[in-house]
Amino acid sequence: EDKVVQSPLSLVVHEGDTVTLNCSYEVTNFRSLLWYKQEKKAPTFLFMLTSSGIEKKSGRLSSILDKKELFSILNITATQTGDSAIYLCAVHHGGSQGNLIFGKGTKLSVKP
Amino acid sequence: DSGVTQTPKHLITATGQRVTLRCSPRSGDLSVYWYQQSLDQGLQFLIQYYNGEERAKGNILERFSAQQFPDLHSELNLSSLELGDSALYFCASSVGGMPNEQYFGPGTRLTVT
Repeated sequence: EDKVVQSPLSLVVHEGDTVTLNCSYEVTNFRSLLWYKQEKKAPTFLFMLTSSGIEKKSGRLSSILDKKELFSILNITATQTGDSAIYLCAVHHGGSQGNLIFGKGTKLSVKP
Repeated sequence: DSGVTQTPKHLITATGQRVTLRCSPRSGDLSVYWYQQSLDQGLQFLIQYYNGEERAKGNILERFSAQQFPDLHSELNLSSLELGDSALYFCASSVGGMPNEQYFGPGTRLTVT
């Protein structure tokens, strides 16, 4: 069965800390992996990864994919209270129930 | 603001009823995706339409159906509603047929009593 597993499920840190969020997957015919940030309502797109070892970076956020070990990490450096959100990992695959499978998310809380 | 609009924002209805959720994609986007998000199941892909045609199907119940109209807006119809259908329903859109960079609408909160 296709699945996407994120860890940890929740995380509490203080401002200025660096965090690493994990996403592992087992899917049929992998196409890409996507990260989203969900604050109060709708998820917003962060990154799309298709190739192993190539880091995507946006400000204090960065992400990398390992297609051999079937996982991705999302790093956030110098965290701020505005980073508090649920971070969702999704995998686009070509399996029988095609499209995107989302993980359950990591709830990040950044304390001042 | 993602540019994707959804109506209504909230909907409260009784078991056994039927409701229609509406979504307008961003200007220029041809694909529309529907998702269900509940506390225990997380975000679940339901169905995708691309330029009026069904493109991909996920965990969509037979009681649910969707369509995309010539002006590219989409509707999700939920019938014979059960308490377990209470959830946040998101619509998302993308330019092409692949869900590479989707823009999500604000969602419709459905409560079945």
